[in-house]
Amino acid sequence: DAKTTQPPSMDCAEGRAANLPCNHSTISGNEYVYWYRQIHSQGPQYIIHGLKNNETNEMASLIITEDRKSSTLILPHATLRDTAVYYCIVRVHYNQGGKLIFGQGTELSVKP
Amino acid sequence: DAGVTQSPTHLIKTRGQQVTLRCSPKSGHDTVSWYQQALGQGPQFIFQYYEEEERQRGNFPDRFSGHQFPNYSSELNVNALLLGDSALYLCASSAQLAGQETQYFGPGTRLLVL
Repeated sequence: DAKTTQPPSMDCAEGRAANLPCNHSTISGNEYVYWYRQIHSQGPQYIIHGLKNNETNEMASLIITEDRKSSTLILPHATLRDTAVYYCIVRVHYNQGGKLIFGQGTELSVKP
Repeated sequence: DAGVTQSPTHLIKTRGQQVTLRCSPKSGHDTVSWYQQALGQGPQFIFQYYEEEERQRGNFPDRFSGHQFPNYSSELNVNALLLGDSALYLCASSAQLAGQETQYFGPGTRLLVL
């Protein structure tokens, strides 16, 4: 079972910041938080990941609470092309790799 | 730099048949994972291959098998197809780098079993 809880859907106005929450209250100390998104009928796209510090890349920012029990993915200026299902996943960086366990994700609709 | 590629893009089979799906990993990646995504659901892990061996397996029957070749490309085979095997099959490749491993997905193969 997925170890994360996300709202099933969210709306965001084009040009505004999209803030997608994720709860992972049972996260272990060695588990990372990963975010992927999936645009309709395409393969999931990696966005960002982090352990305990906030992270930023060209796509998004990841804010992880101090107790690591929740996180927020921020798309700073959402566009219509950001409409997708966003998955929050927690996983361990095994030396021998590791499976991703996807939940239902959040369906983000960016509206003009 | 080519990303993960999969072939074919679409496939139609009938019940009882066998199917082979193919995946070429991203350049520099040595690990391939396969996922099944039913309509309206998140992807489900099937198995992972590393150094031509199955390293980890999800909750899928033995009808699902795979192979990894010396060039790191991989095949997913499904025998005795059932209607319920209709899904999007996703391949993801990865490599260990500084103790971290991020999986990158291909576009998928959509399989329809009639």
